[in-house]
Amino acid sequence: DSGVTQTPKHLITATGQRVTLRCSPRSGDLSVYWYQQSLDQGLQFLIQYYNGEERAKGNILERFSAQQFPDLHSELNLSSLELGDSALYFCASSGRERGDPEAFFGQGTRLTVV
Amino acid sequence: SQQGEEDPQALSIQEGENATMNCSYKTSINNLQWYRQNSGRGLVHLILIRSNEREKHSGRLRVTLDTSKKSSSLLITASRAADTASYFCATAPMDSSYKLIFGSGTRLLVRP
Repeated sequence: DSGVTQTPKHLITATGQRVTLRCSPRSGDLSVYWYQQSLDQGLQFLIQYYNGEERAKGNILERFSAQQFPDLHSELNLSSLELGDSALYFCASSGRERGDPEAFFGQGTRLTVV
Repeated sequence: SQQGEEDPQALSIQEGENATMNCSYKTSINNLQWYRQNSGRGLVHLILIRSNEREKHSGRLRVTLDTSKKSSSLLITASRAADTASYFCATAPMDSSYKLIFGSGTRLLVRP
């Protein structure tokens, strides 16, 4: 158990809908990362937060947004969903600001858009 | 675009053999990490090597880093069926070490 909790584990929704994925980082970790893993794109970095502030952005679509709350949990919001958004979405956390330490991954949310 | 590219994409070996996976990356880095992913599950950190290190060992794992060639290799010795998984390298770029950039992964199958 990595200590990172993601909910829900599975999500099936229709095109055009909006969903929210939730992540509770490992206790004491200030950084949260979001990744998307699909068969054709591999593991893509979306966004990183550190102690509530956005610190790095990857290939995150404008339809996607994220935030980190004062209690350090994070949410990834996906809107106007398309079939191609179907993927595994991972949250990871680490202890320090810079990418030196290891990242601890949650088990992911499997999103299926139908 | 991916920072790291693993090679080979897939590897099938017999139990007891060694498995070698390679990773190439594009920009200067602070460190390089290797992760393992069992099918459909979260990634698990295996080992980290810093940019000023050339080799590191952890149990049956040996990692090398050649910053001049921007490449790294992961060697798993005396492989076991339980080592069957996908292995990813991840780099923390020097210009933006807030993020970890993952390669495309090597799928390792260890046949019993």
